[in-house]
Amino acid sequence: AQKVTQAQTEISVVEKEDVTLDCVYETRDTTYYLFWYKQPPSGELVFLIRRNSFDEQNEISGRYSWNFQKSTSSFNFTITASQVVDSAVYFCALLASGAGSYQLTFGKGTKLSVIP
Amino acid sequence: DSGVTQTPKHLITATGQRVTLRCSPRSGDLSVYWYQQSLDQGLQFLIQYYNGEERAKGNILERFSAQQFPDLHSELNLSSLELGDSALYFCASSVESTSGTDTQYFGPGTRLTVL
Repeated sequence: AQKVTQAQTEISVVEKEDVTLDCVYETRDTTYYLFWYKQPPSGELVFLIRRNSFDEQNEISGRYSWNFQKSTSSFNFTITASQVVDSAVYFCALLASGAGSYQLTFGKGTKLSVIP
Repeated sequence: DSGVTQTPKHLITATGQRVTLRCSPRSGDLSVYWYQQSLDQGLQFLIQYYNGEERAKGNILERFSAQQFPDLHSELNLSSLELGDSALYFCASSVESTSGTDTQYFGPGTRLTVL
């Protein structure tokens, strides 16, 4: 079975601080895909990034960076110089097939509050 | 804006009733997915349709059903509603290559309240 664990339920940081959101996943698939989605207070789910299991190159996009480590089954997300607009719930998700079709499994989410 | 549209935005109904949620995928996307987000269960995959046919099933109750029409829009039907069905229901769409591993883009959701 596929599983995604986001151990941090809520995080509060002061504006301009860096913050890292942790994600640990479980799957027996050798090929799988990892995602981060953002859910701002307005409620929609916004796609942020996708990583394939065969591509461990880490990525930086503006203030966002992602650290994918297969050895520890982790896919962490860092926001540098956080801003109030970053306040949202962030979901890590795993796309894997297990014994059947590919399905997206979400973690419980981490609520990030950026305090001005 | 992901390009996925969902109607209605809010829905309030009573226990025992039946409702229909509607989703239009992004232009060109063939696959539609339905998810339920509740405080208890988090975000859970319900069902996927690809070009009109059911492709994958998740934790969908027998009281719930879905379909995808020839114009690719989809409807999720919820019947014999219970208080516990109150949740945010998301639709997502993807291009859907044969691998089934495309990125899913989510609509704004329909918030269902069962009183």
